Amino acid sequence: DGGITQSPKYLFRKEGQNVTLSCEQNLNHDAMYWYRQDPGQGLRLIYYSQIVNDFQKGDIAEGYSVSREKKESFPLTVTSAQKNPTAFYLCASSIDGRASTEAFFGQGTRLTVV
Amino acid sequence: GNSVTQMEGPVTLSEEAFLTINCTYTATGYPSLFWYVQYPGEGLQLLLKATKADDKGSNKGFEATYRKETTSFHLEKGSVQVSDSAVYFCALNLQNTGNQFYFGTGTSLTVIP
Repeated sequence: DGGITQSPKYLFRKEGQNVTLSCEQNLNHDAMYWYRQDPGQGLRLIYYSQIVNDFQKGDIAEGYSVSREKKESFPLTVTSAQKNPTAFYLCASSIDGRASTEAFFGQGTRLTVV
Repeated sequence: GNSVTQMEGPVTLSEEAFLTINCTYTATGYPSLFWYVQYPGEGLQLLLKATKADDKGSNKGFEATYRKETTSFHLEKGSVQVSDSAVYFCALNLQNTGNQFYFGTGTSLTVIP
């Protein structure tokens, strides 16, 4: 089955620690995205990547970092600099840069800082 | 700038009632428009889309028409079911922004038997 796999589904982190969220897709999509969702709010873009070895900051990139070394993988690191990291994180991909193409989403990772 | 505005929820309807969720947008260009649905604890799933003015997207009894003159993409369904209970997101995509998607804040729908 083709799709986007995010892991883990639930993640707990101690304050001051960095943590990496995994996102893998086997759809052969060029573009990948990371969004943050807080309760009762919409999705806010953290980072996106249109092609391997290239990525751009979204609206709330501070305290996060990404890499895109392979087409199928776009891991997100939540660093200790992120002041309020507890949230639901969604990874998405789209086939290319055309505006008409939809985004496909993973099942999400719920991160809780303890 | 680019943005999407949705009607605020939550919305509660009885089964078989008519549903409308309003969505308006602001865009510097000609966007494609989307409706996504999110069930509890899950990611978003595409419900329908429209890529140019006057296009109508439809799926599973839901419909939305791309109205350029009113910059709107309202979601409608003639007869809702309990299984339609979810959060609905309106979104736009603009190629000239590096294929960024802009999402509304979501509208929670609960359908009661």
